[in-house]
Amino acid sequence: QQQVKQSPQSLIVQKGGISIINCAYENTAFDYFPWYQQFPGKGPALLIAIRPDVSEKKEGRFTISFNKSAKQFSLHIMDSQPGDSATYFCAASMRGGADGLTFGKGTHLIIQP
Amino acid sequence: DTAVSQTPKYLVTQMGNDKSIKCEQNLGHDTMYWYKQDSKKFLKIMFSYNNKELIINETVPNRFSPKSPDKAHLNLHINSLELGDSAVYFCASSQSRGSQPQHFGDGTRLSIL
Repeated sequence: QQQVKQSPQSLIVQKGGISIINCAYENTAFDYFPWYQQFPGKGPALLIAIRPDVSEKKEGRFTISFNKSAKQFSLHIMDSQPGDSATYFCAASMRGGADGLTFGKGTHLIIQP
Repeated sequence: DTAVSQTPKYLVTQMGNDKSIKCEQNLGHDTMYWYKQDSKKFLKIMFSYNNKELIINETVPNRFSPKSPDKAHLNLHINSLELGDSAVYFCASSQSRGSQPQHFGDGTRLSIL
């Protein structure tokens, strides 16, 4: 059972455009929703995270939108740059949960110059 | 100064062998994890370890065993390696269990011949 569903699997965006990646979760006990960025040969790096008591969080060009009733959250990358080309993972975890992060299957993002 | 470091970066070995991967974190975190990333880049939790308490993902074969000599280290031992064990293994750490940012190492790519 996949508890966090991520789409699209791959995404091509022109430089300067907005990249949007979506995730949906099933377990209502999740209370922490991070996004990770992974470059080839590197480990996932925490990009931005949100908790369900807010509907939006912005850090620089990266914004998370969170819809608790729909059990969905999304990552928006504004003014996308070629250096943003990477694989992005959404994830979720629960307070007191001992079993780590549950990841989506990832989105391979390519920003075309 | 690397926060979470793993050795070796690459590990090539024969089926049936026993091998270990080392992980060290210098963040002063209380909880450490092992994740497996398969050929499709799907990340899945294997273990979490906090204050001598080990939580095992039920799908992990008992050929895999984490060992923690101290709070800063969580090594992964794998016995009787199988072809299906080929993957990238990531170590991670967080301040405590549950809904906390996790910091990942750069992974160990394990290839079974």
